[in-house]
Amino acid sequence: QQPVQSPQAVILREGEDAVINCSSSKALYSVHWYRQKHGEAPVFLMILLKGGEQKGHDKISASFNEKKQQSSLYLTASQLSYSGTYFCGTAEIGSNYKLTFGKGTLLTVNP
Amino acid sequence: DVKVTQSSRYLVKRTGEKVFLECVQDMDHENMFWYRQDPGLGLRLIYFSYDVKMKEKGDIPEGYSVSREKKERFSLILESASTNQTSMYLCASVGTGPQPQHFGDGTRLSIL
Repeated sequence: QQPVQSPQAVILREGEDAVINCSSSKALYSVHWYRQKHGEAPVFLMILLKGGEQKGHDKISASFNEKKQQSSLYLTASQLSYSGTYFCGTAEIGSNYKLTFGKGTLLTVNP
Repeated sequence: DVKVTQSSRYLVKRTGEKVFLECVQDMDHENMFWYRQDPGLGLRLIYFSYDVKMKEKGDIPEGYSVSREKKERFSLILESASTNQTSMYLCASVGTGPQPQHFGDGTRLSIL
C-alpha cells in the first residue's frame, strides 16, 4: 500500500516556504525523500531512520514521527531550482531495502 | 559516483513482441529494482533482486519477468507486450544498509 502524500500539488513564489507530508499505515524503518525534475531520474535528498530524527540539507529539512508513521519535508525560502516532483519512499521494518513510493507532490516555484 | 545505466532512453515496440530492458550498475550493489512510473501514480515496484539469480515480486509483477545472471546486470522482460505496458521504466540499485537508491535515467517504452 502506497504512503499518502499531501498536498498533491503546490505553487509558490520564490522565497516562500512549503511543507510536504508523507503518511503510512505500516510500521516504518526509514523514510527516503527524492526530487524528480521533468524528464530526469529521481535525485536523492535525504533518509530518516526509525528513531524520530530530523535532518537538514541547506534550506531543505525533514522530520520523521515514528509514533504516527509520518514524515514531513520542509522547504524554506524556496528557489526556482526547487521546482519538481517530490516523492517519499518508505521502508517497512524488516524490509530495509525495498521502498514503497508515494504518488508524488508537484512543486512549482515561480519568480 | 554510482552509475546506473539503462540501455535505451526511448523504445517503441509492437503488441505481442518480447521486450528486454537492460540495466547495469557499476558499484557492486547487491540490490536492484525495476519500477514503473505513470502520471499521478508515482513509482511502483515491479520486481527486485537482492542477489544474483534471486528475485522477488514487487507490487505489480503481472506481465513481467526478470533475470539477474550477473551482479551488475538486471533485466526486465515483457513476455508479450501489451499497450497497457506503455510507460516510463526506471531501474535502481542500492547496497547494504539504509542507503539511497540510485536511479538510471529511465526508458520510455511505447507499445503500439
